[in-house]
Amino acid sequence: DTGVSQDPRHKITKRGQNVTFRCDPISEHNRLYWYRQTLGQGPEFLTYFQNEAQLEKSRLLSDRFSAERPKGSFSTLEIQRTEQGDSAMYLCASSPLPTAANTEAFFGQGTRLTVV
Amino acid sequence: AQSVAQPEDQVNVAEGNPLTVKCTYSVSGNPYLFWYVQYPNRGLQFLLKYITGDNLVKGSYGFEAEFNKSQTSFHLKKPSALVSDSALYFCAVKNFNKFYFGSGTKLNVKP
Repeated sequence: DTGVSQDPRHKITKRGQNVTFRCDPISEHNRLYWYRQTLGQGPEFLTYFQNEAQLEKSRLLSDRFSAERPKGSFSTLEIQRTEQGDSAMYLCASSPLPTAANTEAFFGQGTRLTVV
Repeated sequence: AQSVAQPEDQVNVAEGNPLTVKCTYSVSGNPYLFWYVQYPNRGLQFLLKYITGDNLVKGSYGFEAEFNKSQTSFHLKKPSALVSDSALYFCAVKNFNKFYFGSGTKLNVKP
């Protein structure tokens, strides 16, 4: 399977702990996105990378959240000092540089975080 | 500001009947519009997109969508629903390199 891969699929953590999620995009996709989805809502933009450069980060995103894509391939999303409100599905997506015919993003299966 | 509205939380349809899932959008400039489907505990799966050209676009699994610029709508349709189409459907608009999603519509297809 050469789709977007996310690890772990599920994570349960205690409030106050740090967690890190990994995303492996489709090979040679330049762009990588992180989204958060809570129950009953659509995905909410967190941040995106073009190669190794983080081009935009949501203004709604707490500074407890940080993301990296050090070599322009896989990416990690870290949440420090987790809170119960961080419980959500964290989705990663990737896409090639957009052209007229190729603008969609491809999503991984997500990491479901539960903070207890 | 860009936004996507899916006015129906849930749509119920009988197998074999046509289905429509509604979406309206607000975006500056020309819209890039998408439909994605999500099955339980899974990520989003791309169905179809409108970029330019013909207002009726066809996608995966027999789905199609109609772009209406004057009504700023992009409704998802299928002529004959299958039980296996039951899932959560998201409309999205792409603007300034980011995707903005609606809140989703749960489609229930009953045998």
